[in-house]
Amino acid sequence: EDQVTQSPEALRLQEGESSSLNCSYTVSGLRGLFWYRQDPGKGPEFLFTLYSAGEEKEKERLKATLTKKESFLHITAPKPEDSATYLCAVQAPSNDYKLSFGAGTTVTVRA
Amino acid sequence: DSGVTQTPKHLITATGQRVTLRCSPRSGDLSVYWYQQSLDQGLQFLIQYYNGEERAKGNILERFSAQQFPDLHSELNLSSLELGDSALYFCASSVGQESSPLHFGNGTRLTVT
Repeated sequence: EDQVTQSPEALRLQEGESSSLNCSYTVSGLRGLFWYRQDPGKGPEFLFTLYSAGEEKEKERLKATLTKKESFLHITAPKPEDSATYLCAVQAPSNDYKLSFGAGTTVTVRA
Repeated sequence: DSGVTQTPKHLITATGQRVTLRCSPRSGDLSVYWYQQSLDQGLQFLIQYYNGEERAKGNILERFSAQQFPDLHSELNLSSLELGDSALYFCASSVGQESSPLHFGNGTRLTVT
């Protein structure tokens, strides 16, 4: 069964203080690694898909990278509006291509 | 706005009752997924449909069932409700099955009293 572990569980940052979130995964035949942002009481919002080791994707202050064992979500110079829970998920044929989610990292950015 | 519509937004009901949650996928998406999110369990996959057919099943209880209709909307039926069924239920849709990102609705918050 796919395993997705995110760390840390929670991250408190000062505005402008860059940091990284980690997503470690164990899956056979990775087809895609997905990053989502979730605000309280809302559905997860799609951010990125990474397909192969070495791939990088960027969107505003967020940058996602992928290796064979883990993915990082780098937040550069965060703003309070970046506060959210960030979820990663993996997809593989061994698990019928469903998305298996990690527990998430809750990021709080203080002004 | 993801384009995925879920109704109702909130549902409060008593133990033993039955409820139906409804989902309209994004225009053009053929796959519909149902997930349950509770505080202690995170996002748990329940079931997937592709163009009307069941394609994958997760940890879905026998008291729960779902279907996808010809117009591609989907319904999740929860019966003999228990207190522990209280959670957020999300529907998501995607274009296909492999390597397609899922786009989530804003969920139905179910409270069982």
